[in-house]
Amino acid sequence: ETGVTQTPRHLVMGMTNKKSLKCEQHLGHNAMYWYKQSAKKPLELMFVYSLEERVENNSVPSRFSPECPNSSHLFLHLHTLQPEDSALYLCASSQDGPGQGADEQYFGPGTRLTVT
Amino acid sequence: EDQVTQSPEALRLQEGESSSLNCSYTVSGLRGLFWYRQDPGKGPEFLFTLYSAGEEKEKERLKATLTKKESFLHITAPKPEDSATYLCAVQPLSNQAGTALIFGKGTTLSVSS
Repeated sequence: ETGVTQTPRHLVMGMTNKKSLKCEQHLGHNAMYWYKQSAKKPLELMFVYSLEERVENNSVPSRFSPECPNSSHLFLHLHTLQPEDSALYLCASSQDGPGQGADEQYFGPGTRLTVT
Repeated sequence: EDQVTQSPEALRLQEGESSSLNCSYTVSGLRGLFWYRQDPGKGPEFLFTLYSAGEEKEKERLKATLTKKESFLHITAPKPEDSATYLCAVQPLSNQAGTALIFGKGTTLSVSS
C-alpha cells in the first residue's frame, strides 16, 4: 500500500447505528487530519492530530469521535448521526505538525457516507 | 476573517483552448498557498505549493502564479484528461495550529475534444 488509504470506501448507516472509519498513511508523516466534504461547500476541517495528540477541533458535534492510536492510523467513530452528516469524509496527512512551516497535505480517496 | 474565493465556479473549454483559474484570498499573513486537483469520487491530489508573491511553478500543462492577493492556475492547451475540480487552499500565519488549510469551493473544469 502507498500514500493514504481509507476504509470503507462507501458506508450506509442508520441514525441509530455505530460505525467507524479507518485511515492509514504509509508516508511516515507526523500529522493527520479528518475533513468533511459536502456538495457545493469547501472542505471543512474536523480534527487535527500531530504526533498522536489532538491539536485542533473545529467545534465538531460529539457524535463524531476521533482516535489516533499511532502516527500511521486515524479513526473516526460515528454514532447517532443525522441525515445532514451524509458527505465524503477525507483523511489527510502531512510531514510536519503545527507551526513548522507550510506543509502540503496528502489525501486519501475518502469514505462516501450516507445516513438514512 | 481568513477567506478563499475561487472563480469561475465552472469552466468549459475546447481542447487546446488555454485559460486561467483564479483564487483570491484574504489572510492576515500567508504561510503558503496550495493547489489541488480532485476527480469525481476521489480525494484531492496535490499539485503545487507557493510561498511568496512572484513565485511560479509548472507541471506539464499547468502553471501556478502568486501575487499578494491572488493566485492563478494557467492551463495551456488543455486536454480532456485535464477535466477535474481544481481546489485552492491557504495556510494562514495566524492559525494557531499552524497546519489547518482554508479551502475555496473549487473550479470545475470540463475540456471537450
